[in-house]
Amino acid sequence: KNEVEQSPQNLTAQEGEFITINCSYSVGISALHWLQQHPGGGIVSLFMLSSGKKKHGRLIATINIQEKHSSLHITASHPRDSAVYICARIIQGAQKLVFGQGTRLTINP
Amino acid sequence: GAVVSQHPSWVICKSGTSVKIECRSLDFQATTMFWYRQFPKQSLMLMATSNEGSKATYEQGVEKDKFLINHASLTLSTLTVTSAHPEDSSFYICSAREGGGQGETQYFGPGTRLLVL
Repeated sequence: KNEVEQSPQNLTAQEGEFITINCSYSVGISALHWLQQHPGGGIVSLFMLSSGKKKHGRLIATINIQEKHSSLHITASHPRDSAVYICARIIQGAQKLVFGQGTRLTINP
Repeated sequence: GAVVSQHPSWVICKSGTSVKIECRSLDFQATTMFWYRQFPKQSLMLMATSNEGSKATYEQGVEKDKFLINHASLTLSTLTVTSAHPEDSSFYICSAREGGGQGETQYFGPGTRLLVL
């Protein structure tokens, strides 16, 4: 069992829909990353958070440390949001990231 | 935001040859760089952690003699795949972290696709 579980694995939606991607982890963290990987492979770090909520444009990330759960929300989704979204936890006491399996998001026009 | 570059972006080589991939932090000093490998439809797997001026720390199952990592300066780390074989064909990604504390953001390079024939 992966230490970081994402759901859903695949998500297809229509342009404009509100998107939620979930991430659960099994052990304590110092912080959690949300990453976006485009079809060409490049990875962009969207958020790093250790508590509460962060917002950037149409993207919102929340984390509940007690429940070991984080969500990534996309409002007013657009086809250019189509990508693989990956959550990764930072191992406490170390520098390493442990990745979820990713959620492949497709937004149709 | 901070920029990390990788070179080359694509490489095709014959089996048995060695391939060097460079990872550079362009506008910050990276005390730590990470090397990942990603096979199709799979998530990233950490191969090794590289700290400037010291030996890299390899993850279990990664052969340090096959994947040579050098982090000679605060802005450059290299990964050399020695005697490459077709099973080494993969997408190799580096990331760099500024600062020495926990929790700083990692900035990812654009990746290098390696195809070994």
